[in-house]
Amino acid sequence: ETGVTQSPTHLIKTRGQQVTLRCSSQSGHNTVSWYQQALGQGPQFIFQYYREEENGRGNFPPRFSGLQFPNYSSELNVNALELDDSALYLCASSPQDRGKTQYFGPGTRLLVL
Amino acid sequence: QQQVKQSPQSLIVQKGGISIINCAYENTAFDYFPWYQQFPGKGPALLIAIRPDVSEKKEGRFTISFNKSAKQFSLHIMDSQPGDSATYFCAASKTGNNRKLIWGLGTSLAVNP
Repeated sequence: ETGVTQSPTHLIKTRGQQVTLRCSSQSGHNTVSWYQQALGQGPQFIFQYYREEENGRGNFPPRFSGLQFPNYSSELNVNALELDDSALYLCASSPQDRGKTQYFGPGTRLLVL
Repeated sequence: QQQVKQSPQSLIVQKGGISIINCAYENTAFDYFPWYQQFPGKGPALLIAIRPDVSEKKEGRFTISFNKSAKQFSLHIMDSQPGDSATYFCAASKTGNNRKLIWGLGTSLAVNP
């Protein structure tokens, strides 16, 4: 059974650009949550997808958007990148319990210059 | 306002000693309390979790103690090893639409050989 995978592992962008991060959930998991973790901080909830629908959102602007596909994989899109978007972006998948038990991928390190 | 407060910020323990990390929460609606371990550059890994109807849960060298009346819970790492050196996060979530995790700020643990 494969765990949660994310791509790319690292990414460098410039301010104003757009980025897409990808996540493959653990086998059998239908819920994907995205978190942003700034250096030295705990993760902050961005949003969750359950059965291809957004299922709750944290305090992030609309330029953070996402998708979930029929195979439960997911994308996080960030438009108009700002310097403060530099962080580790974490994807977590959960089984049928809609997110109670969350298993994290290795993350994508995004640097915005 | 930090809904989950974690202490200490950093901890140094000798090999074989006991590491203790504490968390306190505000929201009595929280009903799931996981602990995660994170190594540099990696995603958080679920260590152990507890529900508020249980006062203690043990898995190997890791034990969670839970005090519902005080709204506090703690992680004890017995026989601490250098390989346990990592950042530890407590978190909490509540029954609801998406069970987003609310995180503490983390504790950096160093176990000296």
